[in-house]
Amino acid sequence: GQNIDQPTEMTATEGAIVQINCTYQTSGFNGLFWYQQHAGEAPTFLSYNVLDGLEEKGRFSSFLSRSKGYSYLLLKELQMKDSASYLCAVRDSNYQLIWGAGTKLIIKP
Amino acid sequence: EADIYQTPRYLVIGTGKKITLECSQTMGHDKMYWYQQDPGMELHLIHYSYGVNSTEKGDLSSESTVSRIRTEHFPLTLESARPSHTSQYLCASSEFTDQETQYFGPGTRLLVL
Repeated sequence: GQNIDQPTEMTATEGAIVQINCTYQTSGFNGLFWYQQHAGEAPTFLSYNVLDGLEEKGRFSSFLSRSKGYSYLLLKELQMKDSASYLCAVRDSNYQLIWGAGTKLIIKP
Repeated sequence: EADIYQTPRYLVIGTGKKITLECSQTMGHDKMYWYQQDPGMELHLIHYSYGVNSTEKGDLSSESTVSRIRTEHFPLTLESARPSHTSQYLCASSEFTDQETQYFGPGTRLLVL
């Protein structure tokens, strides 16, 4: 079966750096997405990786290793507003998105 | 950034009622999707559409139907609501590009009593 694994919850301090990992086993690979979802709201797009390596976008970076079935989202200079769930999703060979359950990130002052 | 709208935002309804959740997007996206999400859980694809007159079933589609008569409109209908349908329903759309990023509406929170 297809599977996306992420830690359920992480805690970090305001101003610090946090890395959220995602491992996947899917039938085929056609790209990996990271979304941010605040409580009670809809997911919003953060990043997309289809080739190995690091994609940087402001305070957020996302890394992909296709051979290891692994990605991470790196958040720098954490702010209180970064408290949210972070969803990893992989597009499989049928071009459907397979979603992880999300990592709830708690930022403490 | 896609403009995508869902109504109602919240709905409380009794068992056995027929309900339609509305979704509209103004970006001219061809692909549209309906997902169901319970708190702390992954999104599950219910239905999707490649364009007008195209509808496909996802993982959880057996108790609902969709239609796509216009590009911008993709309503979801539950013929007979049950307490097990209590959940958040998210609509999304995307363009036919290499990336096909999905953009989400604000969601409808449904409570079936």
